[in-house]
Amino acid sequence: QQQVKQSPQSLIVQKGGISIINCAYENTAFDYFPWYQQFPGKGPALLIAIRPDVSEKKEGRFTISFNKSAKQFSLHIMDSQPGDSATYFCAASIEAGNNRKLIWGLGTSLAVNP
Amino acid sequence: NAGVTQTPKFRILKIGQSMTLQCAQDMNHNYMYWYRQDPGMGLKLIYYSVGAGITDKGEVPNGYNVSRSTTEDFPLRLELAAPSQTSVYFCASRLGQGLQSYNEQFFGPGTRLTVL
Repeated sequence: QQQVKQSPQSLIVQKGGISIINCAYENTAFDYFPWYQQFPGKGPALLIAIRPDVSEKKEGRFTISFNKSAKQFSLHIMDSQPGDSATYFCAASIEAGNNRKLIWGLGTSLAVNP
Repeated sequence: NAGVTQTPKFRILKIGQSMTLQCAQDMNHNYMYWYRQDPGMGLKLIYYSVGAGITDKGEVPNGYNVSRSTTEDFPLRLELAAPSQTSVYFCASRLGQGLQSYNEQFFGPGTRLTVL
């Protein structure tokens, strides 16, 4: 119940195309869903996040779509660029005692071909 | 503002040796975290701290110890290193609870550790 399942494991997209990464969860107590982007040799960095009372959030070329009833959320990268090549992690956040825990997906390695 | 800093960047240990991975943040964040990242396995929480003097175990604490004597520093100690501890270790920090309860985790650049 604490898992976040992320797919696909890897993705290759042509420059200008749309990249779509999907995540699913079971625990309805999750209340915050961030996406992190990680470039090789660097730590993850927050890309965009959504609360479950919103169905979509857009920041530039990055959009999160959230389906509360299906317990799924996805990241869409429009007009994908070679500079977007990175590993993307979805996560789900839940209060846990004195902490706010992040449950991480296993990551998607995105390669955008020029 | 340096953010979250980690040292060393790389280290090779022999089985049975011990070492301390250093982590510091200059953002006055209350919460600090240690993760390990293995290929294809995402991020696993080792230990976390909610403030100076308070630490707690995460998902995979065995073989590690932490301390938090100041707000800024959160070192991770490996005793009796084993090949299973070969990984990339990330330290992260977060501001805190209340109105900031959803705020993001800021990550350091990582320490790549190999145990041979």
